[in-house]
Amino acid sequence: EVQLVESGGGLVQPGGSLRLSCAASGFTVSSNYMSWVRQAPGKGLEWVSVIYSGGSTYYADSVKGRFTISRHNSKNTLYLQMNSLRAEDTAVYYCARETLPPGGATRGWFDPWGQGTLVTVSS
Amino acid sequence: EIVMTQSPATLSVSPGERATLSCRASQSVSSNLAWYQQKPGQAPRLLIYGASTRATGIPARFSGSGSGTEFTLTISSLQSEDFAVYYCQQYNNWWTFGQGTKVEIK
Repeated sequence: EVQLVESGGGLVQPGGSLRLSCAASGFTVSSNYMSWVRQAPGKGLEWVSVIYSGGSTYYADSVKGRFTISRHNSKNTLYLQMNSLRAEDTAVYYCARETLPPGGATRGWFDPWGQGTLVTVSS
Repeated sequence: EIVMTQSPATLSVSPGERATLSCRASQSVSSNLAWYQQKPGQAPRLLIYGASTRATGIPARFSGSGSGTEFTLTISSLQSEDFAVYYCQQYNNWWTFGQGTKVEIK
């Protein structure tokens, strides 16, 4: 069964750091495009970051320079290192696998998603 | 950035009735559009990709249509488990989501 399980969320003070993990089963993280998507309380969904199978990484402008996406191939796990956290980073963070449409497309839809982990930035 | 706008924000529907949700893109996204369903406390679940292709295991009462900038998700006969928030997402140029449409019981 294809599954993603996030962990690492919690309460952190503004300016602090946190590392989220996303353990995958049923497929290989390093062979797929993997993203982090967040959802502030009561709000919509916001894409945060992606890591491609080749290792390239990209970030939303709102987190660029503060967040780092990475993976550990032997652990089949995706990470999100979050530094210089702000109140506006408070959200449930989901990891998701990207599926590309056939025919050489460079982006696709997200499926599956993990259950999410809550990050609260507050003093 | 491509802005996705969903309407209405809330849709009140009786069980068994049809629900029609709209999603508009600020510029053409071709057919690079997905729909997700999210229930309280749960992760989003993929319903539709490619604007009109149902994901694995999604009932036939869910259908998607449109291309370019105008898209529609139709639920032909609402079941109790369909009351949720629905998001559209474009993947033509990075990824952006609509703000969601809540389908509630009338």
